[in-house]
Amino acid sequence: KQEVTQIPAALSVPEGENLVLNCSFTDSAIYNLQWFRQDPGKGLTSLLLIQSSQREQTSGRLNASLDKSSGRSTLYIAASQPGDSATYLCAVPPGLNTGGFKTIFGAGTRLFVKA
Amino acid sequence: SQTIHQWPATLVQPVGSPLSLECTVEGTSNPNLYWYRQAAGRGLQLLFYSVGIGQISSEVPQNLSASRPQDRQFILSSKKLLLSDSGFYLCAWSSASYHTDTQYFGPGTRLTVL
Repeated sequence: KQEVTQIPAALSVPEGENLVLNCSFTDSAIYNLQWFRQDPGKGLTSLLLIQSSQREQTSGRLNASLDKSSGRSTLYIAASQPGDSATYLCAVPPGLNTGGFKTIFGAGTRLFVKA
Repeated sequence: SQTIHQWPATLVQPVGSPLSLECTVEGTSNPNLYWYRQAAGRGLQLLFYSVGIGQISSEVPQNLSASRPQDRQFILSSKKLLLSDSGFYLCAWSSASYHTDTQYFGPGTRLTVL
């Protein structure tokens, strides 16, 4: 059974800091791993999707890495801005060992960037 | 481009009343459709998913039901709401190749049951 854990649960940093959000998963037989952003009271916005054959993906100031063997992914945010304040979730769709349609989401990291 | 709509945006209903939340997708055909619930301070819980018209799978037994009367329409219903049904309801879609594609989420419906 796939389990996804995100650490830390909450993070408060001053503007301009580089930061790392962590995601771990228990079953490494995954097709891909996804990072989402959720603003308060809003839906989820897809940020990055890393295929199982990839090591990392980049979009602007965001860089996500994937290490399947250790069951870990990190989301690196460079030069953080107050507008980055949101909850960040990682998610793993059904993998080789699970099948079905149930994507497993982490509980998220709530980020607050202080101006 | 594809868009996903949900309505209403917010809803306050008394216990025991019926519920109908609607989700529609534009710009794609034969999507996989999903209903999630996000309770305060908790993660996303998959409620239902559908791979085609009239094909609904339930992940969690409860007093909610889902229907897919058209290819791009997904409806979440209840005959009698419970207090525990309060939460943030999100609809999402993905392409048939969900193993390599992401899920795209709607703006959500905030349901408060009093």
